[in-house]
Amino acid sequence: NAGVTQTPKFQVLKTGQSMTLQCAQDMNHEYMSWYRQDPGMGLRLIHYSVGAGITDQGEVPNGYNVSRSTTEDFPLRLLSAAPSQTSVYFCASSFSGTAYSPLHFGNGTRLTVT
Amino acid sequence: DQQVKQNSPSLSVQEGRISILNCDYTNSMFDYFLWYKKYPAEGPTFLISISSIKDKNEDGRFTVFLNKSAKHLSLHIVPSQPGDSAVYFCAAIASGSRLTFGEGTQLTVNP
Repeated sequence: NAGVTQTPKFQVLKTGQSMTLQCAQDMNHEYMSWYRQDPGMGLRLIHYSVGAGITDQGEVPNGYNVSRSTTEDFPLRLLSAAPSQTSVYFCASSFSGTAYSPLHFGNGTRLTVT
Repeated sequence: DQQVKQNSPSLSVQEGRISILNCDYTNSMFDYFLWYKKYPAEGPTFLISISSIKDKNEDGRFTVFLNKSAKHLSLHIVPSQPGDSAVYFCAAIASGSRLTFGEGTQLTVNP
């Protein structure tokens, strides 16, 4: 049981490049989400999904796209990378997406945009 | 507008002593609070939670206290162990909304 798996662990991009951060979970969780962690700002929600085919914006969605074609996968796409997107990105899932179902996080992707 | 604030970026305690991590919030609609723990190069993991209808929840060495009138919660770790050294995030949620996290507090427990 791998839990939440994120790839890659590290990535360096040049400004303007695009890339996809992968996230997969094997717990059959309906709810999946993406957070970014920046110094002094905690974890901020980028996008989330309450089930296959359903996505919605979080607190800081600009510059990112998501899709949810299967229950297991929830990729995050950076359309045109900017230095402000340098951050650590975490994918998280939970059974129901409410606070009564704590989030399970992946180990993160550290992204640097130069 | 930071609705959940952890005003201490870091805390250092001796092994065996009590660690007290604090968290303040501004949204009176928050009805559930959680603490997550994060080690370097790993994702956060759920630690303990408390509903707004309670003022205390205990799980082994970890106890969370909620003071609704002061909009303040705290996490007590007794006794503290070197393996508790990590970043601790508090988080809160109101019905129909998503989790809001604090900035995190780095706890260092010295042997």
